Amino acid sequence: NAGVMQNPRHLVRRRGQEARLRCSPMKGHSHVYWYRQLPEEGLKFMVYLQKENIIDESGMPKERFSAEFPKEGPSILRIQQVVRGDSAAYFCASSPVTGSRVTDTQYFGPGTRLTVL
Amino acid sequence: DQQVKQNSPSLSVQEGRISILNCDYTNSMFDYFLWYKKYPAEGPTFLISISSIKDKNEDGRFTVFLNKSAKHLSLHIVPSQPGDSAVYFCAATGNQFYFGTGTSLTVIP
Repeated sequence: NAGVMQNPRHLVRRRGQEARLRCSPMKGHSHVYWYRQLPEEGLKFMVYLQKENIIDESGMPKERFSAEFPKEGPSILRIQQVVRGDSAAYFCASSPVTGSRVTDTQYFGPGTRLTVL
Repeated sequence: DQQVKQNSPSLSVQEGRISILNCDYTNSMFDYFLWYKKYPAEGPTFLISISSIKDKNEDGRFTVFLNKSAKHLSLHIVPSQPGDSAVYFCAATGNQFYFGTGTSLTVIP
């Protein structure tokens, strides 16, 4: 049973370009979370999605960031017009559906390290 | 606003001794707490959790203690092993997950 997969593992973008980060949850998991870890900081919640539905995006910056989890395919975190401050590690986690999202164990992917030049 | 705090960025312990990692939180509405372990270049992996209705949960060498009145959480690892060297994040949940900034544990052989 493959774990959570993220790609690419490393992504380099120039200022103003777009970054697309992909996350495939564990088999059987229909909940996806995205987190960002800035240098010297902990993991910060960004967004929580179910298939075709954004449940909680309270941690997402209001501009340039968007996320989706389509019916088919991976979840995508999209950052438009990247700036140097977007350089961070972006982690995706998935959890199964047991009815209590705050206690469901989250399984993390290896992360995507975004570097903005 | 950091709702979950790990005030010790690093900790070194001799192999075989006890490692104690601490975590403080500010929101009394948190009802579930977790510890994650993270190796370099990998995502965090779940280690152990505790519900707010308990004050202790044990799993092998790992024990988590919760002091609700002090809003304090700790993870005890005994005996510590070199393979335990990693960054440990505590997390608390209310309507979403809040993570601490992590404590880097080094277990010296």
